[in-house]
This record gives sequence, C-alpha cells and structure tokens, in this order.
Amino acid sequence: KAGVTQTPRYLIKTRGQQVTLSCSPISGHRSVSWYQQTPGQGLQFLFEYFSETQRNKGNFPGRFSGRQFSNSRSEMNVSTLELGDSALYLCASSFQGTSSGNTIYFGEGSWLTVV
Amino acid sequence: AQSVSQHNHHVILSEAASLELGCNYSYGGTVNLFWYVQYPGQHLQLLLKYFSGDPLVKGIKGFEAEFIKSKFSFNLRKPSVQWSDTAEYFCAVTPRSNFGNEKLTFGTGTRLTIIP
Repeated sequence: KAGVTQTPRYLIKTRGQQVTLSCSPISGHRSVSWYQQTPGQGLQFLFEYFSETQRNKGNFPGRFSGRQFSNSRSEMNVSTLELGDSALYLCASSFQGTSSGNTIYFGEGSWLTVV
Repeated sequence: AQSVSQHNHHVILSEAASLELGCNYSYGGTVNLFWYVQYPGQHLQLLLKYFSGDPLVKGIKGFEAEFIKSKFSFNLRKPSVQWSDTAEYFCAVTPRSNFGNEKLTFGTGTRLTIIP
C-alpha cells in the first residue's frame, strides 16, 4: 500500500510568486491535513479537509489556502510568497480523522525555499 | 486550545543508556496522544499512540509511553537506546471528538543524539 505522496519534493520560488503543492493520501483515506515545519516555529497545523470540505483551519493568513478533490487528493496554495514561508510543508492522511481514533500518516514533505 | 510542552530540547546519551523524554499537555477535555519520530532526512513516523485503555502503551523499536492523566503527561521511555535512535522526537495531542477536530498540536521536539 503506497504511503502519502507529495509533489514536488523541492522547489525554489521568488518573493511575490505563488506556489501549489500536491498531496495524494493513502488509498481509502478521506482526511487530509497540512502542516508547516520550520526550525523556529516547529510543526504548525495549516488546515484539514474531509470529503472535500475544510473541517479545521490553523492560524495562518489568507494567503494560505487549500482544497480537496473527490478522489481525496489535496492541494495547498500559497500566494504572494514571503521569505518567511520557506519551510517544509507536510501532508498527512487518515481514514476518518485522528479524533475518531484513526492513525495519521505523514508524507515526506515538500521543501519550499523562497528567495 | 490545546498545547504541548517538551522540556528537553536536546538530549545526548551513550548507547545502552536508558531514555525518558518528557511531554506535558494542556487541554480541558479528553485527548488522544502520540509520539512521532523524525530520523535525519526522513519523514515523520508514528512511534506509538494512546487513545484509551491501558495507560502504558508499547510502540515500535522498543519504545513505550505512559499516560498519567493526573499529571497531564505522556513521557516516552526506552530501557536501552541504540545509535540508530538518533532522531528528533515529537509529542502531539489532538482532542478526542466525534466531530472531527483534526488539529494535531505538536511539541517543539526533542533532538536525541546517541553516542556510540
């Protein structure tokens, strides 16, 4: 069974540009969540989707957005990139959600560098 | 809102030493608790989890953790560490809910270095 797959793995963008990151969850998983990992702030929750609906949102500005498709695949978008957006962006999936007793599995992440 | 504290930022041990990493959480309701490990250059992997039942849970690679409700703690232990345990360890909590409150709150992590 394939794990959580994220693309691209590495990318470099310029300030002011936008970026779209993609995530394919484990087959059968319906909950997809996104996290930002930085040395200074650690792991921070961005948002979570279940059946194409955003169920939870973290404390990030509106430049950060996401969506989920009918096949559970998810994308997140960051517009008007800032240097501080440089981070490892992690996608995670679970069958129905951690609070329902399901384990959450993480992908390898997308390394974003903003220059 | 929930929060997680990991008191040890960097722990250095010799091989075969015993390990205990502290984790305390703050939340007014019932929680699910997790320990994740991130080996150098690899993705986050689940070590163990506690949802309910026996407060002493066993995970992979000889790790275990004990949930002490009265202390809001979920400390990670291993009786004898190996060089391959060198990694960063994250404690995480999520509210237990039927309404899909899926925010995993992580601690700041503990970097563990094992000296051969």
